[in-house]
Amino acid sequence: EPEVTQTPSHQVTQMGQEVILRCVPISNHLYFYWYRQILGQKVEFLVSFYNNEISEKSEIFDDQFSVERPDGSNFTLKIRSTKLEDSAMYFCASSRGVNNEQFFGPGTRLTVL
Amino acid sequence: GENVEQHPSTLSVQEGDSAVIKCTYSDSASNYFPWYKQELGKRPQLIIDIRSNVGEKKDQRIAVTLNKTAKHFSLHITETQPEDSAVYFCAAVSSGGYNKLIFGAGTRLAVHP
Repeated sequence: EPEVTQTPSHQVTQMGQEVILRCVPISNHLYFYWYRQILGQKVEFLVSFYNNEISEKSEIFDDQFSVERPDGSNFTLKIRSTKLEDSAMYFCASSRGVNNEQFFGPGTRLTVL
Repeated sequence: GENVEQHPSTLSVQEGDSAVIKCTYSDSASNYFPWYKQELGKRPQLIIDIRSNVGEKKDQRIAVTLNKTAKHFSLHITETQPEDSAVYFCAAVSSGGYNKLIFGAGTRLAVHP
């Protein structure tokens, strides 16, 4: 069964550094998402992406964040200048269409020191 | 803004008992309601979902009910087993949005043998 994959599984960085989190969505899916989950809290929506552009973003997704689909398979989340409060688990997800199941990747645990 | 309230935050049952988790959503345009199960350190996985044109859906020991008028939806697990122990998240998707999931705060279910 196809799965969403993410790399790395754990990323440790210094405050102010840039990080890029990578995802490979399921191949025939058209909608892509990033969510984050601070330890012990709920999953929060960051951004959705369709047809090579951002379709919706949350208040969390400020100018420090960007997403890109650099080729036909990868979907990346970049945080330009990390802050301590960016420490969280970041999940990528994808779906075939609207109101279809969103399949989540295994997550990248980001630790900002 | 869009919000999903979830109760209880923790639920402890004996094996074989039933468990009920309740959610309330604020956006009347919401039309898709998935439930995710998240085991410790793992990705959220869909266990059941319901669309707004349906009042109830069942899949073996799991059922979901939806009351659109009251903006409530509930997850029912019967004959609970220790492997049902996990955190359960309800979510809602608005018809006016681009498929973003608004999650509840989660319910930690513990099933004791």
